[in-house]
Amino acid sequence: KNEVEQSPQNLTAQEGEFITINCSYSVGISALHWLQQHPGGGIVSLFMLSSGKKKHGRLIATINIQEKHSSLHITASHPRDSAVYICAVRSGNQFYFGTGTSLTVIP
Amino acid sequence: KAGVTQTPRYLIKTRGQQVTLSCSPISGHRSVSWYQQTPGQGLQFLFEYFSETQRNKGNFPGRFSGRQFSNSRSEMNVSTLELGDSALYLCASREGDRLASEQYFGPGTRLTVT
Repeated sequence: KNEVEQSPQNLTAQEGEFITINCSYSVGISALHWLQQHPGGGIVSLFMLSSGKKKHGRLIATINIQEKHSSLHITASHPRDSAVYICAVRSGNQFYFGTGTSLTVIP
Repeated sequence: KAGVTQTPRYLIKTRGQQVTLSCSPISGHRSVSWYQQTPGQGLQFLFEYFSETQRNKGNFPGRFSGRQFSNSRSEMNVSTLELGDSALYLCASREGDRLASEQYFGPGTRLTVT
């Protein structure tokens, strides 16, 4: 049983397209994180959410606590956005991770 | 401020050996968490320390252990290495002990067990 499910697993987009990555979770959470991992392994924390919506540049993250669902949107996608995007939730004393969405943006 | 640093960055060990990995958090951060990432299992939570005390632990066998020092630097140890322990080990630091606060990740240590 996976506490966090992400979709799609893989995504290819043309530069400039609007992208949405979805995350559903089955546990009660104190926070949800969106992470970005580039080839080579380094992870960057993009957003931490407990309610509502956050925006940073071309990235927007939303969360619906009642529906246990979050989305990460990338507007005007760029090849440098190519990475794996991982949804993670903090539930009690544990951290659960989605399997990631591999995004490739083609010029 | 310098970011989270991990040493070594790459490591090759043989089955049955033990290994110690080190993590230095961002200056002023008192909480350190450790994670294992493998192609098969993805990212998994190992444990979390705050002010030298283990606060939380993931579902890993006792071969995996850790500690945190008074300067907030943390080490994790894996004894009796198995092939399946080959992974990227990541640590992350955060400022306080609020469970839902922002984390900053290090570059990871890539461990290969042969």
